[in-house]
Amino acid sequence: ILNVEQSPQSLHVQEGDSTNFTCSFPSSNFYALHWYRWETAKSPEALFVMTLNGDEKKKGRISATLNTKEGYSYLYIKGSQPEDSATYLCASHNNNDMRFGAGTRLTVKP
Amino acid sequence: EAQVTQNPRYLITVTGKKLTVTCSQNMNHEYMSWYRQDPGLGLRQIYYSMNVEVTDKGDVPEGYKVSRKEKRNFPLILESPSPNQTSLYFCASSDRDMNTEAFFGQGTRLTVV
Repeated sequence: ILNVEQSPQSLHVQEGDSTNFTCSFPSSNFYALHWYRWETAKSPEALFVMTLNGDEKKKGRISATLNTKEGYSYLYIKGSQPEDSATYLCASHNNNDMRFGAGTRLTVKP
Repeated sequence: EAQVTQNPRYLITVTGKKLTVTCSQNMNHEYMSWYRQDPGLGLRQIYYSMNVEVTDKGDVPEGYKVSRKEKRNFPLILESPSPNQTSLYFCASSDRDMNTEAFFGQGTRLTVV
């Protein structure tokens, strides 16, 4: 089984801090890397889908990078706000499989 | 509105009593999948379907069945539920080209006693 690993498992930051977390994934037969934001009692919602080595994507204060050769992606949040508190999931699409990491639970304190 | 709809949202049942969790999408997506979420383990894939009448096992298929008779529906069947199937279940759909985002249902919290 090829695993998708995320770190850290949880993170507590103060409002205004910038933060980042990591997703490592299998680089063989790689098709795409997905990032999702998952708030408690809601469904995961897509943030980014990245396919190319060196891809960088940005949505407001959130951005992500992708390194397919070494099998990692970083998610960055600039100037964290309490509403950014959520679990951030990454998923790697290899062959016909989409495998998720266990997520990073972010808590932003006002 | 693009939607993936799961029913029921919550279910408490007894060991051995067959149940079905329905999943329906209105986006004409070819790819649909079921996941279970357990604390500390992320989303684990149970089954997926690339198209009508095409289904494949994911990581944790034991104790589950699925069917894909129509493109929009992908029910998850537990023939004889057991307590270790107590979990939060998500259905998701996406274009066949999975380089586009997946859309998730609202989740079904199942408790088997």
